[in-house]
Amino acid sequence: GQNIDQPTEMTATEGAIVQINCTYQTSGFNGLFWYQQHAGEAPTFLSYNVLDGLEEKGRFSSFLSRSKGYSYLLLKELQMKDSASYLCAVRDNGEAAGNKLTFGGGTRVLVKP
Amino acid sequence: NAGVMQNPRHLVRRRGQEARLRCSPMKGHSHVYWYRQLPEEGLKFMVYLQKENIIDESGMPKERFSAEFPKEGPSILRIQQVVRGDSAAYFCASSHPDRALPGPYNEQFFGPGTRLTVL
Repeated sequence: GQNIDQPTEMTATEGAIVQINCTYQTSGFNGLFWYQQHAGEAPTFLSYNVLDGLEEKGRFSSFLSRSKGYSYLLLKELQMKDSASYLCAVRDNGEAAGNKLTFGGGTRVLVKP
Repeated sequence: NAGVMQNPRHLVRRRGQEARLRCSPMKGHSHVYWYRQLPEEGLKFMVYLQKENIIDESGMPKERFSAEFPKEGPSILRIQQVVRGDSAAYFCASSHPDRALPGPYNEQFFGPGTRLTVL
């Protein structure tokens, strides 16, 4: 089975840094994704990690430790438009699983002025 | 270069009616996934289809729900005899079949979703 945990909600100030943690226990692993979802909209892809380490993409970075079943998404220089839900998702492996994603419950980030 | 398209965007049904949700994948994508999102919750996988084949339906309720992805036309998620608990946002995603492609490692691109309300 798949179990993915992330905090429900976080609040931060504009210009600050926020780190969203995600822990997972899965029967298979073929990569971890982070998506951003604004209220009432579709999730949009932010980052992907399959090897251990840090992936940096502008203001957003994502880290993975496969041995610990742990990832985090780091948002720097927070802007008001970053207020959204951030979804951690693990891709299963195996041909039958294809690209099936198992999502955590999402972390709602509120950026305050 | 259209993205994933879903229609309708909003659908209202009375209990006992049928709901049909359509999804047209991105051009060149032959893998389609359906997810359901209840209010204030994460996305839950329902079914994974390739053209004319259901690959994984482990997340689909055994009764009233069915999905297809015909050779021609969009993928359809069909819910028969809807109940209030079916009220949710239903998202479709598509991906390219070639895992060897460079880029975001065969990410799934999501459509805008269909918000189903059962009265």
